[in-house]
Amino acid sequence: EVQLLESGGGLVQPGGSLRLSCAASGFTFSDYDMNWVRQAPGRGLEWVSTISTTGGGTYYADSVKGRFTISRDNSKNTLYLQMNSLRAEDTAIYYCARRTGGDYWGQGALVTVSS
Amino acid sequence: DIQMTQSPSSLSASVGDRVTITCRASQDISNYLAWFQQKPGKAPKSLIYAASSLQSGVPSKFSGSGSGTDFTLTISNLQPEDFATYYCQHYNSYPLTFGQGTRLEIK
Repeated sequence: EVQLLESGGGLVQPGGSLRLSCAASGFTFSDYDMNWVRQAPGRGLEWVSTISTTGGGTYYADSVKGRFTISRDNSKNTLYLQMNSLRAEDTAIYYCARRTGGDYWGQGALVTVSS
Repeated sequence: DIQMTQSPSSLSASVGDRVTITCRASQDISNYLAWFQQKPGKAPKSLIYAASSLQSGVPSKFSGSGSGTDFTLTISNLQPEDFATYYCQHYNSYPLTFGQGTRLEIK
């Protein structure tokens, strides 16, 4: 059974940093592109970032470019999102999703940016 | 960037009805389109990929069609569990973008 489990969310002050993790199981992690998608409270879905199978290709939404870094450790079956210079508008539930087109999603991790 | 426009934004229907949601891309995306269902407090669930291919385990009451710029999601024989918000997403090129969502409510 495919499982994606996000962790690392929490409350952080504006300007602060946070690292999200997504632990994958039930499939060959290194065979799939992986994504981060977020959803601000009461809002729609927003694509954040994608990483290729080897990590050699990374892509970002303009809203997070230069502040967020996506990475993966295929030996640990884990996807990461390093978030720096956080802003109030980054407050959202962050989901990891398998493959472009997102066939499986995690349950989400809540990130709250507030003083 | 490619913009995705869904219509309608909200829709009221009755149990047993058949409904259609439309998604329009601002430029040709071939068939690189996915549809998702999201219920309150839950993660999105994949329904359709490649515009018309049903994800494993998704009932055949859901169907997708279209290519190029115009796409539709049709849900037949609506049941209480189908009332949710539906999103389209293109994956033709980066940045990937979602439609704004269509909220399907019980009439």
